[in-house]
Amino acid sequence: KQEVTQIPAALSVPEGENLVLNCSFTDSAIYNLQWFRQDPGKGLTSLLLIQSSQREQTSGRLNASLDKSSGRSTLYIAASQPGDSATYLCAVLSPNSGGSNYKLTFGKGTLLTVNP
Amino acid sequence: DGGITQSPKYLFRKEGQNVTLSCEQNLNHDAMYWYRQDPGQGLRLIYYSQIVNDFQKGDIAEGYSVSREKKESFPLTVTSAQKNPTAFYLCASSIYIRGGQPQHFGDGTRLSIL
Repeated sequence: KQEVTQIPAALSVPEGENLVLNCSFTDSAIYNLQWFRQDPGKGLTSLLLIQSSQREQTSGRLNASLDKSSGRSTLYIAASQPGDSATYLCAVLSPNSGGSNYKLTFGKGTLLTVNP
Repeated sequence: DGGITQSPKYLFRKEGQNVTLSCEQNLNHDAMYWYRQDPGQGLRLIYYSQIVNDFQKGDIAEGYSVSREKKESFPLTVTSAQKNPTAFYLCASSIYIRGGQPQHFGDGTRLSIL
């Protein structure tokens, strides 16, 4: 059974710092890994999707890496801003023998606070 | 603009009552999903649908029911059999269910018990 863990559960940093959020998964047989952002009381916004054959993806100040063999991904946020404050969720798409062909398994998220 | 619309934003349920959460998408996506989010937990899959008139149970389907009569609509009914329905419910869609396609999410419905 795929399990996704995110560390740390919460992180508070001053504005301008570069930071790294971590995601690990137990089964390396994944199709892709996706990072989401969730603001309080809102749905999820997709930030980056890394296919299993890729090593990293970049979008603006965000960079996500994937090491499938070790079951790890990191989300790097450069020059953090107060507007980056949100919960960041990692999810992996992997085969599911329970009936569907694929299953998206989510971590519990990292709550990021960027202080002005 | 294309997107997913969930309604209502807040919903209250009385004991013994069934309630239905709406999810509509205009992205022309084949696949749609319902997730439940509880504080301190990740999202858990309730039901998903790969195509019109087809749907499958997810990890926590007990006490819930769905229908998929139209491509753009995937309503979720929380029945009285669901004993702990208080949660944040999220609907999502993707082009199709095969790997490689990102899921897009609505803004959620928060369900509470009166």
